[in-house]
This record gives sequence, C-alpha cells and structure tokens, in this order.
Amino acid sequence: GAVVSQHPSWVICKSGTSVKIECRSLDFQATTMFWYRQFPKQSLMLMATSNEGSKATYEQGVEKDKFLINHASLTLSTLTVTSAHPEDSSFYICSARWGRSGTQYFGPGTRLTVL
Amino acid sequence: EDQVTQSPEALRLQEGESSSLNCSYTVSGLRGLFWYRQDPGKGPEFLFTLYSAGEEKEKERLKATLTKKESFLHITAPKPEDSATYLCAVQAVENNDMRFGAGTRLTVKP
Repeated sequence: GAVVSQHPSWVICKSGTSVKIECRSLDFQATTMFWYRQFPKQSLMLMATSNEGSKATYEQGVEKDKFLINHASLTLSTLTVTSAHPEDSSFYICSARWGRSGTQYFGPGTRLTVL
Repeated sequence: EDQVTQSPEALRLQEGESSSLNCSYTVSGLRGLFWYRQDPGKGPEFLFTLYSAGEEKEKERLKATLTKKESFLHITAPKPEDSATYLCAVQAVENNDMRFGAGTRLTVKP
C-alpha cells in the first residue's frame, strides 16, 4: 500500500509557541491531503482538506487562523498550530489521496502535548 | 445527512472465537466503503475498499462484505495480534467526503 509519513512523531511545547507538523506521501502524488485530530478513545475528527496549490477547506468549528495548513507540493502538506494552548494537546493524523476520490492512506500520527 | 454507525462499541473474544463487526450506513450515493485498522498511538492502516453491494474482499483472517445498508467485517479464528480498533468509513458520490464511524475496539484474549 501507499506510504505516508509524518514528522515529528511526538512533540512537547510550551503554551504560546507554534508547532509545525509535516505530512509526506512517499511513493505517490497526493492531490488531496487531510488533517484529523483524535482524542483518546474517540474516532477521527476531520479538521481540514487541502488540495495541492489551493487554500485548505476547514471544517466547521476549526479555526483557520490557529491551524494553518499549507499544501505546497504533491508530496508535502504542513499543519502549523499557532500559539498553542493545553487544549490543543491531541493526536494529529494526516492522510493523503491520489485523485478526487478513493482510498485515503494515513500517516502514523503526531502526538502534541502543550504544557 | 450521511451517517455511519459501528457496532458493537467493544468486543472481547477468546483466541480462535470467530465473530463479526457491523458497520451500518446511510448515504445519498455510495462511492466506496472503507475498513481500517488502528492500533493505539498509531494512524489507521488501510484494509479494504468495497464499492458495490455483494462485493467481498479477504485478507488473512479478515473478510469484508457489503450490502446496500451495511458492511460486515468477519474475523475468523482471531489471534491476539488482531486486537485493535476497526474503523469503517463511507465516501459519498456527491462530495467525496469520507465519514468515519466511531470504531469497534476488538480485544482477543489468548
């Protein structure tokens, strides 16, 4: 299957700082990438969808100024959590898809802890 | 609105005890139904995609089936390493969005 990587796998930061998470599709070109967050024992919550070269589409309730998404190339998307606060602590997972539909392949996730 | 409901929420099996997980869905037009496996602290791992009623797919001890209203993930003679959360998702024709169910937490005891 297709491989998607994320970096870093975990990060601890102080409240008020910004954190950038990278998502890469390693063996295919991802026209669409997705960012999810997941709280313990809960399912995935879609935050935003990004198409290469376009602005991301955010789900209702997700602050676009707080969660900056850039999809600059067909293999790389980044999520920047700006001015992070403890309530932003969560497991962030990206996924990537080739084309407008079809299977999404997920990265291994990034555990963010904000102190 | 598209909906995906998985049952049971949690399932505990003895090693070798076969069972099925259910995924019921309502969607205006189904493009595809997806099954993923998620281990704690990791991203979901793709298992199967089903596109039309009557379709079946198999991988090792897992077999996924699809009807017009639901999908089943059958686990035959499970082993402890099959313990994970199994997620079901549907993709609609009209918007290509993927909607996930809450998952079934499977525990297989040796």
